[in-house]
Amino acid sequence: EADIYQTPRYLVIGTGKKITLECSQTMGHDKMYWYQQDPGMELHLIHYSYGVNSTEKGDLSSESTVSRIRTEHFPLTLESARPSHTSQYLCASSTRTSATDTQYFGPGTRLTVL
Amino acid sequence: QKEVEQDPGPLSVPEGAIVSLNCTYSNSAFQYFMWYRQYSRKGPELLMYTYSSGNKEDGRFTAQVDKSSKYISLFIRDSQPSDSATYLCAVHNAGNMLTFGGGTRLMVKP
Repeated sequence: EADIYQTPRYLVIGTGKKITLECSQTMGHDKMYWYQQDPGMELHLIHYSYGVNSTEKGDLSSESTVSRIRTEHFPLTLESARPSHTSQYLCASSTRTSATDTQYFGPGTRLTVL
Repeated sequence: QKEVEQDPGPLSVPEGAIVSLNCTYSNSAFQYFMWYRQYSRKGPELLMYTYSSGNKEDGRFTAQVDKSSKYISLFIRDSQPSDSATYLCAVHNAGNMLTFGGGTRLMVKP
């Protein structure tokens, strides 16, 4: 089982609030990712990081921001939550030296913005 | 055209059936192919990966890649109710990232 953790698992919040979704991994992986997934829909990459102080935007435009100050930690922040941000957010990590880029996923945070 | 296409299902089969799940991809340069399983309200977990063409077997699961037709398959033998989940195929693209299909929802009925 992969050692990647996300908190909170569920979050219901009002419009305009600032929120931070936490993601931590204990595998020492260099690469980390954030995906957004609506129910029954595909995964969309919104942010990724190759290592400390590296952050990149993914394929799907997102109003969220990320930071990578420590290898094991990759938090995602929404400055002002809106109902359109309601979705499941999945964090993943992988080893940079892995040719297959095998990604290990956390359990996800299900966000509802009222 | 999407890089990876997958029939969303749902696919409903009786327990013990052989299940065939399929994906097509657009770029012949892709070399690594993966299958993830995602249970409801959980994150995806890696099932298997294959490199280039051919078959790979792991217990009741067999992954197959046909690069000539850009077609990847996952076969599940003796399917069990615990196999009920969404199955996502993924390809390792030229940007060194994974591109996922939309997933096929499988229901195995006792």
